[in-house]
Amino acid sequence: NAGVTQTPKFQVLKTGQSMTLQCAQDMNHNSMYWYRQDPGMGLRLIYYSASEGTTDKGEVPNGYNVSRLNKREFSLRLESAAPSQTSVYFCASSKRTANTEAFFGQGTRLTVV
Amino acid sequence: TQLLEQSPQFLSIQEGENLTVYCNSSSVFSSLQWYRQEPGEGPVLLVTVVTGGEVKKLKRLTFQFGDARKDSSLHITAAQPGDTGLYLCAGKSGGSYIPTFGRGTSLIVHP
Repeated sequence: NAGVTQTPKFQVLKTGQSMTLQCAQDMNHNSMYWYRQDPGMGLRLIYYSASEGTTDKGEVPNGYNVSRLNKREFSLRLESAAPSQTSVYFCASSKRTANTEAFFGQGTRLTVV
Repeated sequence: TQLLEQSPQFLSIQEGENLTVYCNSSSVFSSLQWYRQEPGEGPVLLVTVVTGGEVKKLKRLTFQFGDARKDSSLHITAAQPGDTGLYLCAGKSGGSYIPTFGRGTSLIVHP
C-alpha cells in the first residue's frame, strides 16, 4: 500500500533552473495539496486541488505552478528556482470532507544554490 | 498567515516526565487535528477532535478541544524516547476540508 508517493526525495538546483516535483496517490482521493516546510514555520500551503481539473492558490503560491494531471497525480513546478525556495516540500491527499485525515508523502528536500 | 499558535516551540525533557503542548487561535474551528512527524517523514495523523470540550485518549496521549473550539492541548504522560518528534496541530474552519497548520512543537525525550 503505497499511499502518497513523491519524487525525487532530494534535489539540488542552481538559481534560475527549473524542475517539477511529482506526486501520485493511490487512495482515490479527490483533494491533493502541496505544502512547504521551513524550520520553525510549520507547513504552509502552496497550492491545492479540490478535484481533477481544478487548482487553487494557497498561502504561498508565488514562484510555483501546479498541474492536476488526473485524479492520481498532482505536480508542482518551479519555473526559475530561487534560494528562497530551499525547503522541504510535501504532497498530501485527502477525501473532500471536513474531518478527514490528510495523508502525506515522505517529502522532497530541495536546495537552491 | 499562521492562524494557529503552538507553544512551546521546543521542548527537551527526560524520560518519565509529563508535558503539555498548546494550540491556540482567535478563530473558531469546526475540527482540529494533531499530527506527529518524525525526521525524514511526512506528518501522520494522531487524532481529530470535533466537539467543544471533547477529550480523546490515545494510550499515554490525551487530547482536549476547548469549549469554544478555538484551542486545543496535547498532554503526554510519562514521556518515552519514542515520543520524540514534531507535533503539529491543524485546524479546519467554516466547513473547509483544507487543514491549516500551526508552526509545530519539537519534542525531544532523553533516555
